[in-house]
Amino acid sequence: GENVEQHPSTLSVQEGDSAVIKCTYSDSASNYFPWYKQELGKRPQLIIDIRSNVGEKKDQRIAVTLNKTAKHFSLHITETQPEDSAVYFCAATTGNQFYFGTGTSLTVIP
Amino acid sequence: DAGITQSPRHKVTETGTPVTLRCHQTENHRYMYWYRQDPGHGLRLIHYSYGVKDTDKGEVSDGYSVSRSKTEDFLLTLESATSSQTSVYFCAISELAEQFFGPGTRLTVL
Repeated sequence: GENVEQHPSTLSVQEGDSAVIKCTYSDSASNYFPWYKQELGKRPQLIIDIRSNVGEKKDQRIAVTLNKTAKHFSLHITETQPEDSAVYFCAATTGNQFYFGTGTSLTVIP
Repeated sequence: DAGITQSPRHKVTETGTPVTLRCHQTENHRYMYWYRQDPGHGLRLIHYSYGVKDTDKGEVSDGYSVSRSKTEDFLLTLESATSSQTSVYFCAISELAEQFFGPGTRLTVL
């Protein structure tokens, strides 16, 4: 089955700086790559996603890039704010089962 | 949030007792999932359903069974709870790839 690896496991940045989280996947048939944000004690929330026919997608301060050849995708958060502090998960799927990375705990220092 | 509810939200039980968790959706989505979330492991799939009475195993299905007799309800049963099944359980629904999570159930097995 699919194997998704996520790095780093923890990340601290100064407010206003950028944060980058990277994921790799193993199954070349995976075609949908969502990113979730999970605040403490809450459910994971979908924040952005990308499909395999697109190389980059942006939504305000967050963006996701996909490199199908290298089988990796990344989450970019610009102009970080304290409310961006949370755990972020990447995932990959061929359509039925979703495979998640182990999460990145992002701390934005005011 | 998508129309997903989970019950109960919290449960404490003893080793060896049966436990059933319920997931209810009002979105009429085809796919429903049960995950467990543990520190250091991210979200791991237990079972999923792709229609009424149609279910399949995920990566950590041992000790769990599921049933889906109606589109809106997906039940997860621990036949004989063990301490290793102490976890936070999330239900999720999906249609056309986007996946949305319920609020979670915190289960403690003593």
